[in-house]
Amino acid sequence: SAVISQKPSRDICQRGTSLTIQCQVDSQVTMMFWYRQQPGQSLTLIATANQGSEATYESGFVIDKFPISRPNLTFSTLTVSNMSPEDSSIYLCSVGDPTNEKLFFGSGTQLSVL
Amino acid sequence: QKEVEQDPGPLSVPEGAIVSLNCTYSNSAFQYFMWYRQYSRKGPELLMYTYSSGNKEDGRFTAQVDKSSKYISLFIRDSQPSDSATYLCAMRITNAGKSTFGDGTTLTVKP
Repeated sequence: SAVISQKPSRDICQRGTSLTIQCQVDSQVTMMFWYRQQPGQSLTLIATANQGSEATYESGFVIDKFPISRPNLTFSTLTVSNMSPEDSSIYLCSVGDPTNEKLFFGSGTQLSVL
Repeated sequence: QKEVEQDPGPLSVPEGAIVSLNCTYSNSAFQYFMWYRQYSRKGPELLMYTYSSGNKEDGRFTAQVDKSSKYISLFIRDSQPSDSATYLCAMRITNAGKSTFGDGTTLTVKP
């Protein structure tokens, strides 16, 4: 199984600022996924990050709000831009196994926006 | 209406009890079914993975899929306090496709 390190583990931010979340994997993976988990709600896929190409965003999520970088096969960042209290959530990085049957998750970033 | 509905809980049981966690879904195209366990302040970890209908057992855990009823269950036998966590069902249409998650059921097993 992949080991995923995610930083920061939590942060408290002011409205209007931006936060960049980092995700490091201990092995090379083709696709990395970014999820949001709001309190009492299911995991929602924000985007899929492929190395060397633009991220693919799900309906309701846009690049201007959630820019993603994927500079190599072991690292990705998600930025939450121009934050509002509605962005308060847990953000999770995930990768699939080689067959993509299984998803492995980082520990998440608990974001609170005041 | 959500594609995947999960019994909301929370669920509290005494140690040693048999626990049943359930999800229903509306999309008959789902073929791959997963159960994840999520401890507080941790990411989800995959517990069980099944394809199509049937049962799959792994130690104290049994996953059951009934595609005709669009219903999946996770049974935990001889529950332990260490099983206290939130359990998420997930499913997808294709092997490499996007997973759709339930909202989760929080389980507490009391010693």
